[in-house]
Amino acid sequence: DVKVTQSSRYLVKRTGEKVFLECVQDMDHENMFWYRQDPGLGLRLIYFSYDVKMKEKGDIPEGYSVSREKKERFSLILESASTNQTSMYLCASSLPQGPYGYTFGSGTRLTVV
Amino acid sequence: GDSVTQMEGPVTLSEEAFLTINCTYTATGYPSLFWYVQYPGEGLQLLLKATKADDKGSNKGFEATYRKETTSFHLEKGSVQVSDSAVYFCALSTGAGSYQLTFGKGTKLSVIP
Repeated sequence: DVKVTQSSRYLVKRTGEKVFLECVQDMDHENMFWYRQDPGLGLRLIYFSYDVKMKEKGDIPEGYSVSREKKERFSLILESASTNQTSMYLCASSLPQGPYGYTFGSGTRLTVV
Repeated sequence: GDSVTQMEGPVTLSEEAFLTINCTYTATGYPSLFWYVQYPGEGLQLLLKATKADDKGSNKGFEATYRKETTSFHLEKGSVQVSDSAVYFCALSTGAGSYQLTFGKGTKLSVIP
C-alpha cells in the first residue's frame, strides 16, 4: 500500500528548541508539501518542493525551513519553536503531471510549551 | 487567483439524513475538482474527484457533479452514518504549479445516532 509516513503522531517541545518533522513517501513522487492546520483557518501551505534540493515558500514560511536531500524525504524544521507554532502539521506528496491529487500523511500534532 | 468556497460548518445531522455540502470555485483555466475527507486525528484522504464538466465522482455512497455553468462541485450522500463524521475539504487543481491544489477551509460534519 503506497503511503506517506510522518515520523511522529504527537510531539511536545519546549519554546526555543529546534524541531525536526520528518516525512517519507514511497511513491517516487516529485512534489512534496508541508501544511499546517488550525481550527477555523483550514490548511495553510508552509513550503513545497518540486524536486530534490529544490524548495519554494508557501503562504506562511516565516519561522520554518525545509530540507530535501533525497527524493523520498522532506523535512520541516522549526529553527526556534514558539507557542504559536503549536498546530497539526500535514505532509503530502503528488505527481507533477495529471490531476491525481495529493497523498497525505497522518499528521503530526505538535505542542510547544 | 484560484479559490474554493465551502459552506461553513459545523453541520450536525441525524443518522440516515441526506447530506449536502456546498462547494463553489473560481479558477483561471479548466480545473479538476476534488473532495477530501479527514477523520478525527488523521490526515486527509481523497474521497472523489472529477476532471471535466458534467463528470460525476463517487465513492463510499458520496457523489459530486462537476457543474461548469454554476462553478460548483457540491458533495451529497443519501443516508449518512455515524462513521461519516469527519471534516470534508473541497479542492481544485488547474495544472498551474505542477497541479498544485487549492483547498477550501473545510466543513465539519457530525452525525448523531
